[in-house]
Amino acid sequence: GQQLNQSPQSMFIQEGEDVSMNCTSSSIFNTWLWYKQEPGEGPVLLIALYKAGELTSNGRLTAQFGITRKDSFLNISASIPSDVGIYFCAGQGGSEKLVFGKGTKLTVNP
Amino acid sequence: DAGVTQSPTHLIKTRGQHVTLRCSPISGHKSVSWYQQVLGQGPQFIFQYYEKEERGRGNFPDRFSARQFPNYSSELNVNALLLGDSALYLCASSKTGVRTYEQYFGPGTRLTVT
Repeated sequence: GQQLNQSPQSMFIQEGEDVSMNCTSSSIFNTWLWYKQEPGEGPVLLIALYKAGELTSNGRLTAQFGITRKDSFLNISASIPSDVGIYFCAGQGGSEKLVFGKGTKLTVNP
Repeated sequence: DAGVTQSPTHLIKTRGQHVTLRCSPISGHKSVSWYQQVLGQGPQFIFQYYEKEERGRGNFPDRFSARQFPNYSSELNVNALLLGDSALYLCASSKTGVRTYEQYFGPGTRLTVT
């Protein structure tokens, strides 16, 4: 079945630093989404990408849909303490379901 | 506007019992999906319902079933609970139309099976 490899698994950064994380797939996806999950809550949608090569921003967050359609990247600029959480990528291929990565846990030191 | 709501928030059950989890989608959303999230993992797709019909099913045993009601709310049922069913169960809703894959999640129901 489809699997997503998300890296890194965890990141420890200083406030103000930029962050990059990525997601790769063994198969092609038609849609990529990025979510953030905080303890005790459901994932919150950050960015949705629908076309290969698409670059989309949401405030300090920027995500790109890879041109091979097998990868996606999320960048966070000038991190702040409230960026702490687990970031998940999710892809949608030929069916209705979303396939999620295992997450990148972000810790921001003030 | 209210987001996706789920009930109950927490639940403790014994092996072999049955459980029903409930979800109300965002107003105007006609599609509901269910996911299981075990600790340290991303959500795993269980079901999607659109207009009361099953549109997709993940790799889960027949002990898992769901349905969607005329008001688009949904129930997830799990029979003969196993210890391994302990997880956060997430419901997500999405609009119809072009961007149906923008799924919005509720806070989840934490199920513990003892």
